[in-house]
Amino acid sequence: AQSVTQLDSHVSVSEGTPVLLRCNYSSSYSPSLFWYVQHPNKGLQLLLKYTSAATLVKGINGFEAEFKKSETSFHLTKPSAHMSDAAEYFCVVSDRGGTASKLTFGTGTRLQVTL
Amino acid sequence: SQTIHQWPATLVQPVGSPLSLECTVEGTSNPNLYWYRQAAGRGLQLLFYSIGIDQISSEVPQNLSASRPQDRQFILSSKKLLLSDSGFYLCAWSTLRQIQAQGYTFGSGTRLTVV
Repeated sequence: AQSVTQLDSHVSVSEGTPVLLRCNYSSSYSPSLFWYVQHPNKGLQLLLKYTSAATLVKGINGFEAEFKKSETSFHLTKPSAHMSDAAEYFCVVSDRGGTASKLTFGTGTRLQVTL
Repeated sequence: SQTIHQWPATLVQPVGSPLSLECTVEGTSNPNLYWYRQAAGRGLQLLFYSIGIDQISSEVPQNLSASRPQDRQFILSSKKLLLSDSGFYLCAWSTLRQIQAQGYTFGSGTRLTVV
């Protein structure tokens, strides 16, 4: 079974400061991991993905995530927050079993960016 | 290119009324289709998934049902809405081949308010 834990339900940063959104996963297999972003009343947009290639993954809008197998972590970072980054972020792990191949979502982290 | 359409964007319905939300996918064949619900302040809950026409799996017992009358059409329904059915409903698609590499592609969502 797969599971993912987002350690913070809410993170607040000042504009121009670094962003760190934490995610830990549990998987019986070599997982695929994703970060999605959701702006208010919008669908989810894929931010970046890890699929067993390079452990440091670069995504859109300057976000990065590093896959650390020893720590079972996939934390999302950005060097400098922008007001437009305010949104909800979901860490997701794949389920490699079965024909439906479902994704398992974390409970989300709401990122607030202040002036 | 593949696109996913979901409508309506917003809906206000009285308790006890029926519901029909529609989702269609273009540019791919035999996709896996998913319905998620996102209640206020909570993460995403998988409601139904489908691996083919008339093949629907329900993840949680509830007041809702799903149907897939055509390969790229997925419908979420209810005969009598409850207040607890309020939420943000998201349709998503993927393929077995693509899910590990790309995750899901989400529709823009439907905000349902039951009054």
